[in-house]
Amino acid sequence: RKEVEQDPGPFNVPEGATVAFNCTYSNSASQSFFWYRQDCRKEPKLLMSVYSSGNEDGRFTAQLNRASQYISLLIRDSKLSDSATYLCVVRSNSGYALNFGKGTSLLVTP
Amino acid sequence: GAVVSQHPSWVICKSGTSVKIECRSLDFQATTMFWYRQFPKQSLMLMATSNEGSKATYEQGVEKDKFLINHASLTLSTLTVTSAHPEDSSFYICSARAEDQPQHFGDGTRLSIL
Repeated sequence: RKEVEQDPGPFNVPEGATVAFNCTYSNSASQSFFWYRQDCRKEPKLLMSVYSSGNEDGRFTAQLNRASQYISLLIRDSKLSDSATYLCVVRSNSGYALNFGKGTSLLVTP
Repeated sequence: GAVVSQHPSWVICKSGTSVKIECRSLDFQATTMFWYRQFPKQSLMLMATSNEGSKATYEQGVEKDKFLINHASLTLSTLTVTSAHPEDSSFYICSARAEDQPQHFGDGTRLSIL
């Protein structure tokens, strides 16, 4: 079983729609959680960290459920520029290396 | 913000060539650098963790004699793909972190072996 699992999509949504991505992780000792964004043929860029209390950054809301080992990302009022692959990323408590999910592809259409 | 520079960004070589990729932290001293590889439609997979002045720690299944990592200074790590073959064609990305700081990623190197 992979350490980080995501629905690969693709998710095709119209501009202005709300879309949610889910992610599960297998290592219960994981300590840090992130969502990264990766554009085609580019390096991943940190979108936001995910905290147990849930956190929001503009149109983006992230949630973490440690009991279920589940992470989510909600994007409201989707923009064309949100089209990308969203990577769920988990860091275990040993070392600082990151474990990446395969990513969920989002295409926002006019 | 913190910047990590990776060079070259794109390499096309013949089979059997050795290719060196550089990763530099431009405005901070990186105590640890990481090398990842990403095949098409796959997740980034950690290849090795490199601490300045010590030998790299390789992930299971990654050949250390094939992928030579040198981390000679706090701002530079290099990955050399020795005798590259078409199956080594991939997107190689480095990241760097300072103490108690998040990782910052380089732009990536797209390696194509013919």
